[in-house]
Amino acid sequence: EAGVAQSPRYKIIEKRQSVAFWCNPISGHATLYWYQQILGQGPKLLIQFQNNGVVDDSQLPKDRFSAERLKGVDSTLKIQPAKLEDSAVYLCASSPRGPSGAYGYTFGSGTRLTVV
Amino acid sequence: GENVEQHPSTLSVQEGDSAVIKCTYSDSASNYFPWYKQELGKGPQLIIDIRSNVGEKKDQRIAVTLNKTAKHFSLHITETQPEDSAVYFCAASDTQAGTALIFGKGTTLSVSS
Repeated sequence: EAGVAQSPRYKIIEKRQSVAFWCNPISGHATLYWYQQILGQGPKLLIQFQNNGVVDDSQLPKDRFSAERLKGVDSTLKIQPAKLEDSAVYLCASSPRGPSGAYGYTFGSGTRLTVV
Repeated sequence: GENVEQHPSTLSVQEGDSAVIKCTYSDSASNYFPWYKQELGKGPQLIIDIRSNVGEKKDQRIAVTLNKTAKHFSLHITETQPEDSAVYFCAASDTQAGTALIFGKGTTLSVSS
């Protein structure tokens, strides 16, 4: 089974520039998550999709962050304009859903963003 | 909302010793508690999980215990090996409500040979 694919692996941008991250989840996984992981901390949820609908985006800074999941498969996360405090690893995860199914998330390797 | 506290933040053990990491959660509705291992430059990887209808689960050298009354759960690693060195995260979620996992801040485990 192929894992969760993310690109790019690394990105360095100047503050106030824009950046986009891409995620391809495991085939058949209905739920997709974007997490932000600041160095030395645990992953923090940004947004949760169920198929192509948003379930939870309460922690997404909507003045600068946006995300979409077209056709319920791939997803992109965008930051515009970036701030220094956005420097972090952006992790994408997917999971199958069901009343009694597995809930384990599979994470991608992440995109390390550095804002200078 | 849910809040997960994790202790200790760092843990150093000798090869062959046991390691214990503890987490507490705040939302009594949480019913799913996974543990993840994260190696440098990689995403977190699920190593074991437990649901609220079970008090203990074991998989070879790894075990997890859950105390619903006290709202805490623990990861136990026996006979530690250098390859166990990594950052470990606990997490919690309410699968009935379909909420996403909330993670602790992580424990850096170092196993020296």
